[in-house]
Amino acid sequence: ETGVTQSPTHLIKTRGQQVTLRCSSQSGHNTVSWYQQALGQGPQFIFQYYREEENGRGNFPPRFSGLQFPNYSSELNVNALELDDSALYLCASSRPSGNTEAFFGQGTRLTVV
Amino acid sequence: QQQVKQSPQSLIVQKGGISIINCAYENTAFDYFPWYQQFPGKGPALLIAIRPDVSEKKEGRFTISFNKSAKQFSLHIMDSQPGDSATYFCAASRDSGNTGKLIFGQGTTLQVKP
Repeated sequence: ETGVTQSPTHLIKTRGQQVTLRCSSQSGHNTVSWYQQALGQGPQFIFQYYREEENGRGNFPPRFSGLQFPNYSSELNVNALELDDSALYLCASSRPSGNTEAFFGQGTRLTVV
Repeated sequence: QQQVKQSPQSLIVQKGGISIINCAYENTAFDYFPWYQQFPGKGPALLIAIRPDVSEKKEGRFTISFNKSAKQFSLHIMDSQPGDSATYFCAASRDSGNTGKLIFGQGTTLQVKP
């Protein structure tokens, strides 16, 4: 088990709604990265937060946004949910340098109906 | 555009056998190559990782072989066990030292038969 925790574990939302997912990073890690994993696929990088600023973004629309707090925990917000947003959302904590490895949480399973 | 291509998609191996999963990448700027193991309903767990200054890295039953000129790397699982049955992902990063920005392969589902 890693020290990365995500909440909630499961969530069902209706198309058009908004959702907030949360992640607490492992002790000593100040960087949080978010990934979307569709069923049967590899995780896809959404964005990374470091020092409360976005530090790189994948190919995701602006309705995917995030925050990082002074204690390094992070939120992923998705507006105007679409059916294709149904996926496992993963966060990973790491440090941006020093060759430390990234550790993933157990994920939040989001279902959009 | 798939920057990291993984094969095979699925693999069945007898207990005690060797499981081999291959990945190929396109971007020569990649400088960190981890392998993750994922069980159903769980997040990926780091197994082993390599940087391009070495051609092989071994940790227990798991070995990464890295061929920089061919832009390929592979995971070998020796003495495969039923408990190794899981989905395996290779990944790559081009942000030196920042191991949180990863591009993943499509995954390989491994089944180890008793």
